[in-house]
Amino acid sequence: SAVISQKPSRDICQRGTSLTIQCQVDSQVTMMFWYRQQPGQSLTLIATANQGSEATYESGFVIDKFPISRPNLTFSTLTVSNMSPEDSSIYLCSVAEGGEKLFFGSGTQLSVL
Amino acid sequence: GENVEQHPSTLSVQEGDSAVIKCTYSDSASNYFPWYKQELGKRPQLIIDIRSNVGEKKDQRIAVTLNKTAKHFSLHITETQPEDSAVYFCAAKQVGTYKYIFGTGTRLKVLA
Repeated sequence: SAVISQKPSRDICQRGTSLTIQCQVDSQVTMMFWYRQQPGQSLTLIATANQGSEATYESGFVIDKFPISRPNLTFSTLTVSNMSPEDSSIYLCSVAEGGEKLFFGSGTQLSVL
Repeated sequence: GENVEQHPSTLSVQEGDSAVIKCTYSDSASNYFPWYKQELGKRPQLIIDIRSNVGEKKDQRIAVTLNKTAKHFSLHITETQPEDSAVYFCAAKQVGTYKYIFGTGTRLKVLA
């Protein structure tokens, strides 16, 4: 399976600031996905990122809050903007191999004070 | 909307016993059902999956069964070991999309 790396692995941020999370895949992939996992909760899809087009956001998530870049077929970033304590979560990027099997990156644990 | 219910939320078993986790999905267009294991502080890892044209799949101590009519699928772990302790998530993927709906998770504790 693809090797998916995320940076940073964890961060503690102040309310009102922004954090950009990077996701690097060791092979070219058409689609990359960003998920959020709130403390003790399940996984929720934030958006799907295609190279060369705007990301597609799920209900409840907006581009102004979670801007995404996808400059090439191996890299994507997710920014969490104007953070509040409610944004404290694990953020995971992922790719679907063979269009089906979903594999996750190493995750970014975000705490907002 | 689409929904995946997962039960139980917590499960404790003695080492060597079997564990069963059940999921029910709402969208009959779902055609792919993976299971993930997430250890504390780590990423979810795909442990087994099943497609809608198959009723059962086994990989060593783990197996997954699917009942399309009832829209149920289950994870079975036999001869449990302490290292099986983790949170397990089921998911359902809708045909023709990349959207996965995840269950709420089951925290499995295997007692030595």
